[in-house]
Amino acid sequence: AQKVTQAQTEISVVEKEDVTLDCVYETRDTTYYLFWYKQPPSGELVFLIRRNSFDEQNEISGRYSWNFQKSTSSFNFTITASQVVDSAVYFCALSDGSGAGSYQLTFGKGTKLSVIP
Amino acid sequence: GAVVSQHPSWVICKSGTSVKIECRSLDFQATTMFWYRQFPKQSLMLMATSNEGSKATYEQGVEKDKFLINHASLTLSTLTVTSAHPEDSSFYICSADWELIVGTGGNTEAFFGQGTRLTVV
Repeated sequence: AQKVTQAQTEISVVEKEDVTLDCVYETRDTTYYLFWYKQPPSGELVFLIRRNSFDEQNEISGRYSWNFQKSTSSFNFTITASQVVDSAVYFCALSDGSGAGSYQLTFGKGTKLSVIP
Repeated sequence: GAVVSQHPSWVICKSGTSVKIECRSLDFQATTMFWYRQFPKQSLMLMATSNEGSKATYEQGVEKDKFLINHASLTLSTLTVTSAHPEDSSFYICSADWELIVGTGGNTEAFFGQGTRLTVV
């Protein structure tokens, strides 16, 4: 069975601070995909990143960066110089690779990030 | 990029009535779509996998007779909440299988609809 744990339920930071959102996953599959999504108050899911299990290279996209560590089954997300617009709930999700891309996702419980001006 | 459109974005209905939610893939064909439910301040939980031309596959604990799924075409899946009750009030969101996005050479994300906020009064 797959499981995604986001231990941080809520985080508050002051604008311009850096913040890291933790994600730990469990899977028996050797091929799998990891995702991060942002859910603003309006409810839609905004895709941030997908990473497959064979690609442990860390990624940076603007103020966002991701640290994938297979050894610790973690896929942490860091926002640098946070802004008020970053306030949202962030979900980490896992999909197995058996469906050749079918994205039946297992979501973590989400971390609510509040950036205070 | 590929777009999944979900309609309506919100609906209020009386207890005992049925509500239909549509999920359309606008510029690609999706033989598989997924329906998720999200209760307030909770995570998204997979309800069912919708397969074009065949019966949906429901997750454990999801009543198939209450949540009717129809995937009659390659671009449309519908979720009907029958005899809705206040405890069915939730945010329902669909996603489409990326594998079948034609012409993109394989995309890198699961495409989600905008979601439907259902309130049963």
